[in-house]
Amino acid sequence: DSGVTQTPKHLITATGQRVTLRCSPRSGDLSVYWYQQSLDQGLQFLIQYYNGEERAKGNILERFSAQQFPDLHSELNLSSLELGDSALYFCASSVGLAGGRGEQYFGPGTRLTVT
Amino acid sequence: DAKTTQPPSMDCAEGRAANLPCNHSTISGNEYVYWYRQIHSQGPQYIIHGLKNNETNEMASLIITEDRKSSTLILPHATLRDTAVYYCISMDSNYQLIWGAGTKLIIKP
Repeated sequence: DSGVTQTPKHLITATGQRVTLRCSPRSGDLSVYWYQQSLDQGLQFLIQYYNGEERAKGNILERFSAQQFPDLHSELNLSSLELGDSALYFCASSVGLAGGRGEQYFGPGTRLTVT
Repeated sequence: DAKTTQPPSMDCAEGRAANLPCNHSTISGNEYVYWYRQIHSQGPQYIIHGLKNNETNEMASLIITEDRKSSTLILPHATLRDTAVYYCISMDSNYQLIWGAGTKLIIKP
């Protein structure tokens, strides 16, 4: 158990809909990262937040957005969903920025299926 | 762009040491090398990281060559539960992990 929690575990929705994925980082971790992993693909970095502020963006679509709240939990919002958005979405957390960024602890993921 | 290269797959007998190689000839002198593993669709699990010196923790050992062009992750006594995809990772200029395809390690009884 990494200490990172994600809800829901599974999500099935239709094209065009909007969903929200939630992540709670490990206690004490200030950074939260979101990743997407499509079937049999590697992890794609989406976005990072540190202590409530956006710190880095990766391959995140304009239809996707995220935020980190004062209690440090984070939400990833996916809108106008397409079939290709079906994937595992992972949240990870780390203590800080610099040297701590590489040591990330991942949640169990949310499996999103768009039909 | 990936800065590390790994073999796509490897087998290892249960109870033996699993040695997973990684080439990273283009990383700079102050870049760490990180190892993670992912057991079938679970969240990736951090294993170990290193810069120049060899490192050991309760999960594995990391041997880095003196020229830092390659490294080897060693699982000293592999078990069936070590079957996973192992990722050797560096960071991009934005301090984000660069995930490649990894090595699929299969531990055989």
